[in-house]
Amino acid sequence: KQEVTQIPAALSVPEGENLVLNCSFTDSAIYNLQWFRQDPGKGLTSLLLIQSSQREQTSGRLNASLDKSSGRSTLYIAASQPGDSATYLCAVHMDSNYQLIWGAGTKLIIKP
Amino acid sequence: EAGVTQFPSHSVIEKGQTVTLRCDPISGHDNLYWYRRVMGKEIKFLLHFVKESKQDESGMPNNRFLAERTGGTYSTLKVQPAELEDSGVYFCASSPQGFGNEQFFGPGTRLTVL
Repeated sequence: KQEVTQIPAALSVPEGENLVLNCSFTDSAIYNLQWFRQDPGKGLTSLLLIQSSQREQTSGRLNASLDKSSGRSTLYIAASQPGDSATYLCAVHMDSNYQLIWGAGTKLIIKP
Repeated sequence: EAGVTQFPSHSVIEKGQTVTLRCDPISGHDNLYWYRRVMGKEIKFLLHFVKESKQDESGMPNNRFLAERTGGTYSTLKVQPAELEDSGVYFCASSPQGFGNEQFFGPGTRLTVL
């Protein structure tokens, strides 16, 4: 059974710092992995989708990496801003079905 | 292009009542999904439609939950009768035809059962 873990559960850093959020999964038979952000009381915004054959994917200040064999993904945020404050979630899409399996998220606070 | 929409945004009902949640996917998306997040837990898959057909309902918690997707367009999720443990946020997502495509999520419906 696939399990997705995100550590830490919460992170607070000063504005301007580069930071890394971690996501690990127990079953490497994934098709792809998505990173999302959720603002308080709002929906889920897809940030990046990285296919199992890819090593990384970039969008603006965000860079997601994937090491499928070791069961790890990271989301790198460069030059953090207060507007980056949100909960970041990773979800894996298995080879075998359509559902996403989710981590619990990392709550990120960027201090001005 | 309009995103995934959900109605209502909030619903507060008493235990034993019935509630129906609605999801309108992105136009043209064949795949529609329901997920929910209960307090303090991870988001969990409920079910998946391809057009009007249920492909996977392995995540539905029990027979108090009924999902439909009439005509392969919008979907409804009915909870009858609602229990306290049904409280949470219900998310709907859609994706284009085919396997492994990016899923786009709606804003969610926050359900509170008193």
